[in-house]
Amino acid sequence: EIVMTQSPATLSVSPGERATLSCRASQSVSTNLAWYQQKSGQAPRLLIYGASTRATGIPARFRGSGSGTEFTLTISSLQSEDFAVYHCQQYNSWPFTFGGGTKVEIK
Amino acid sequence: QVQLQESGPGLVEPSETLSLTCTVSGGSITSHYWSWIRQPPGKGLEWLAYIYYSGSTNYTPSLKSRLTTSIDTSKNQISLKLSSVTAADTAVYFCARRLLTPSGFHGLDVWGQGTTVTVSS
Repeated sequence: EIVMTQSPATLSVSPGERATLSCRASQSVSTNLAWYQQKSGQAPRLLIYGASTRATGIPARFRGSGSGTEFTLTISSLQSEDFAVYHCQQYNSWPFTFGGGTKVEIK
Repeated sequence: QVQLQESGPGLVEPSETLSLTCTVSGGSITSHYWSWIRQPPGKGLEWLAYIYYSGSTNYTPSLKSRLTTSIDTSKNQISLKLSSVTAADTAVYFCARRLLTPSGFHGLDVWGQGTTVTVSS
């Protein structure tokens, strides 16, 4: 099973600042990686798939990058609605696995 | 616009079988993979299983012996059964659809709202 590790666990950022979230896979997942945003009490929302392709309706301030084992989600200028938990997930090999999440909180 | 709705009992007794249904509306159940994911309170996400509209399935190895998922295309429903439950199975259970693009299947682009299941006597 591929283990996905996200860092940091919590990221404190001021509105308007950039946030950089990391995700590492225990073995290569190529670009078969997705990022999700989850707000309290809600289902996750797909942000990025294929490591770098924004899902329908996702603003351009969300940017995914990386391949193999190292991935990054960058939010260029945090808006109030972006404070949430972010999950990465690999779908390269079964079982598909999620990282533990990064909570982006207001500084 | 495709919508998913999970349903099932919110409370299950230990050692019993958890049964959930996911109803798909606003779109066809065919040509897609349908998945079950769960999230224990305060914890991360776990992808439990997926089923293709043809009926082919795959289960996460750690729960494979206890999990069954099936699909009823006539009712546009997917079901999940988890047997011999314990308190560790207490979680929010989500059904979701895998995104299909010309390049293949990707992450989960449509999610149900989730249903909370508590295992307790």
